[in-house]
Amino acid sequence: EVQLVESGGGLVQPGGSLRLSCAVSGDTFRDLWMTWIRQAPGKGLEWVAQISPGGISTDYMDSVKGRFTATRDNAKNSLFLQMDSMRGDDTAVYYCARDVSWGRYDSWGQGAPVTVSS
Amino acid sequence: DVVLTQTPLSLSVTPGQPASISCKSTESLLHSAGGTVLHWYRQKPGQSPQLLIYEVSSRFSGVPDRFSGSGSGTHFTLNISRVEADDTGVYYCMQGLRMPRTFGPGTKVEIK
Repeated sequence: EVQLVESGGGLVQPGGSLRLSCAVSGDTFRDLWMTWIRQAPGKGLEWVAQISPGGISTDYMDSVKGRFTATRDNAKNSLFLQMDSMRGDDTAVYYCARDVSWGRYDSWGQGAPVTVSS
Repeated sequence: DVVLTQTPLSLSVTPGQPASISCKSTESLLHSAGGTVLHWYRQKPGQSPQLLIYEVSSRFSGVPDRFSGSGSGTHFTLNISRVEADDTGVYYCMQGLRMPRTFGPGTKVEIK
């Protein structure tokens, strides 16, 4: 069974930065797209970003373009989300998820809570 | 962006009774290769979301056959034939055809 474990969440001031990590077990990590999805308090799910298996191609939601960067280290089965110039509306639980095919997220992490507040 | 609309937004169901959730898309989710990229997820209280149904009607591993999905183009439905207490949670449809990927607003299912 694949396991995804996020870390790095916490409290950050507006304008600050935070880096989330997602450790993925299993030997298929390097073959699959990986995704970040977030959920603001009391709200629904919001797709944030994705990264290709080789890490060359990335896609982002409009509101995080230029501020968030998704990367991965296939040698360490790890996914990262660098979040800069953070704003209050970035406050959310951030999930990493494995994309088997066209948004079929078959495995999710437990979520990393992020709070942007002064 | 593709907008997904779910109805109803909340549902209270007696155990053993059926339940149905509708998901409508602002554009067709038919992929050029022939599949339709509409998935269903459930989020139980305090838990991460989990995949239930992918590509309209395929049940994910371990999902009971009480759950079924149907639809085509822009209209989709998730059916639960006989609701059980463990089915409580928020159900989301999601489209994987266009960027950005988008989710419906969610349907909260409560068991009476």
